[in-house]
Amino acid sequence: GAGVSQSPRYKVTKRGQDVALRCDPISGHVSLYWYRQALGQGPEFLTYFNYEAQQDKSGLPNDRFSAERPEGSISTLTIQRTEQRDSAMYRCASSLRAGGALRPNTGELFFGEGSRLTVL
Amino acid sequence: AQSVTQLGSHVSVSEGALVLLRCNYSSSVPPYLFWYVQYPNQGLQLLLKYTTGATLVKGINGFEAEFKKSETSFHLTKPSAHMSDAAEYFCAVSLTSGTYKYIFGTGTRLKVLA
Repeated sequence: GAGVSQSPRYKVTKRGQDVALRCDPISGHVSLYWYRQALGQGPEFLTYFNYEAQQDKSGLPNDRFSAERPEGSISTLTIQRTEQRDSAMYRCASSLRAGGALRPNTGELFFGEGSRLTVL
Repeated sequence: AQSVTQLGSHVSVSEGALVLLRCNYSSSVPPYLFWYVQYPNQGLQLLLKYTTGATLVKGINGFEAEFKKSETSFHLTKPSAHMSDAAEYFCAVSLTSGTYKYIFGTGTRLKVLA
């Protein structure tokens, strides 16, 4: 597809279950970001990758959250033992260029439509 | 620490009227500033950005924003609102120069009245 694709679009799960959210970035995009957006709030940074390398995971709330991008393309955000407070919209975004403090990047970040997670 | 404040979670304007959405930031380093728009059931889309250079930046759909360092502001304006501008708008500052590790504001929902 032409844009960033996320699946599932909607996920309802019971507390304690594990969930995996998938992101398929725009073909050829080097960097991939994950954000979380709670209702009534702006998106909050979780983690990002350049190629397959996780560059920064400082925004992951705790060790139940993890992300991978093994081949530098598709990424999976996994939440183990979900809790009600994990309910949110999870947004993935990608960019053509690599991001990093030493590599000025004034390109554009393209967002997917998000995966809405509801934990009962 | 960096932060972003958007004044007004909801703004209503009449069609044809001026649109003004406010954004103030705090940053210990020269900021990269962004405005994103979110239409219903869509992803966030970049409207415009300030990195360096000219402080008045023009974006898509007739929007523009001016970086005012002395006021730590980056307000978004459009001279004449269209019905299609109804959406949620987010201001963001880049936490680390050169990355998209943003801090977003809480958003302003714009309603355009016929």
